[in-house]
Amino acid sequence: DTAVSQTPKYLVTQMGNDKSIKCEQNLGHDTMYWYKQDSKKFLKIMFSYNNKELIINETVPNRFSPKSPDKAHLNLHINSLELGDSAVYFCASSQVSGIGEQYFGPGTRLTVT
Amino acid sequence: GENVEQHPSTLSVQEGDSAVIKCTYSDSASNYFPWYKQELGKGPQLIIDIRSNVGEKKDQRIAVTLNKTAKHFSLHITETQPEDSAVYFCAATDSWGKLQFGAGTQVVVTP
Repeated sequence: DTAVSQTPKYLVTQMGNDKSIKCEQNLGHDTMYWYKQDSKKFLKIMFSYNNKELIINETVPNRFSPKSPDKAHLNLHINSLELGDSAVYFCASSQVSGIGEQYFGPGTRLTVT
Repeated sequence: GENVEQHPSTLSVQEGDSAVIKCTYSDSASNYFPWYKQELGKGPQLIIDIRSNVGEKKDQRIAVTLNKTAKHFSLHITETQPEDSAVYFCAATDSWGKLQFGAGTQVVVTP
């Protein structure tokens, strides 16, 4: 059973396009996250949702819009893609926000050409 | 905000030897310090964590130590095996409840 799943695993697209990444967790967790991992492996939090409500919004361009239709899903929509958006995007979930294990998905490798 | 520094960036060890990774943090309010292991092509996975009211924690070949006064914490892996080869990340929860990650350490265990 996959705890945190993401689709697609790979995404190659051109500059200016709009794309979405989907995430689902079957752990019954209340909190979900999006992280960006750049080419140097640096992991940085982008957003966090607790029970469908946005609780963390780092200084991310407003071209990135997360949506949580229910507490098991957190999708990420990106408008007007730029070269610098190329990275691996990880979804994660945890029982509570902040403290405690975060379970990461397998990642979505986004390449913008 | 929280700043987590991690050293070294790469670590090569012979199988059976020990590996030590060190991290420092800046926010004295941080109270949760997890360590994650990321294998190639996968998401990070928690291997051990420690809270600020504990100085040391051990789980089989892995141990973590925390010095709150000096604001540093370390990961110790004993009797390293080839399957320990991965990128290891330390992290600290800042006063907003966000996990701030270190830059990662690429560990290579050579047989």
